[in-house]
Amino acid sequence: GENVEQHPSTLSVQEGDSAVIKCTYSDSASNYFPWYKQELGKRPQLIIDIRSNVGEKKDQRIAVTLNKTAKHFSLHITETQPEDSAVYFCFTGGGNKLTFGTGTQLKVEL
Amino acid sequence: EAGVAQSPRYKIIEKRQSVAFWCNPISGHATLYWYQQILGQGPKLLIQFQNNGVVDDSQLPKDRFSAERLKGVDSTLKIQPAKLEDSAVYLCASSLVQGVGYEQYFGPGTRLTVT
Repeated sequence: GENVEQHPSTLSVQEGDSAVIKCTYSDSASNYFPWYKQELGKRPQLIIDIRSNVGEKKDQRIAVTLNKTAKHFSLHITETQPEDSAVYFCFTGGGNKLTFGTGTQLKVEL
Repeated sequence: EAGVAQSPRYKIIEKRQSVAFWCNPISGHATLYWYQQILGQGPKLLIQFQNNGVVDDSQLPKDRFSAERLKGVDSTLKIQPAKLEDSAVYLCASSLVQGVGYEQYFGPGTRLTVT
């Protein structure tokens, strides 16, 4: 099955700084790489995704980069704000196999 | 549009008892997923339905867990008998079409505590 590793498990940044979270995967058939944000006690929500034919995608302060050769993709958040504090999960799938990463607890400090 | 509905929101049972969760996906969504999220971990896929057929149930503990989606709309997930390690949030999600590459919309989850 798919093996997805996510790092770091916790990340603390000062407001305004950038945050980077990385995931590596094992299944070369994986072709869709979304990131979900889960606030405390709430449901996961999609924040950005990328497909295997694209190397980078940006949406305002959020970007995702994909390196299919190395089998890793990263979430970049710039100009972090307190409301960015949450747990972030990467997600991938090979064929119909769906696997979430282990999660990164991001804390944005004032 | 209405989101994914789940009930109950919370459930406390004793080990060896049975419990059932219900999910109503977004109207028109063909694919339905059940995930188990243990505290501090990422969601783990238990079962995926395409309409009323099972696409993937490889991580469903079939000796105690069962799920059905009889008419291709609502779904129920049952645990019988429950164990302490089943304490988790059970998330239901739906997507418009089958396959990786389509956004999953999650319900609020059912928090199960097994004592």
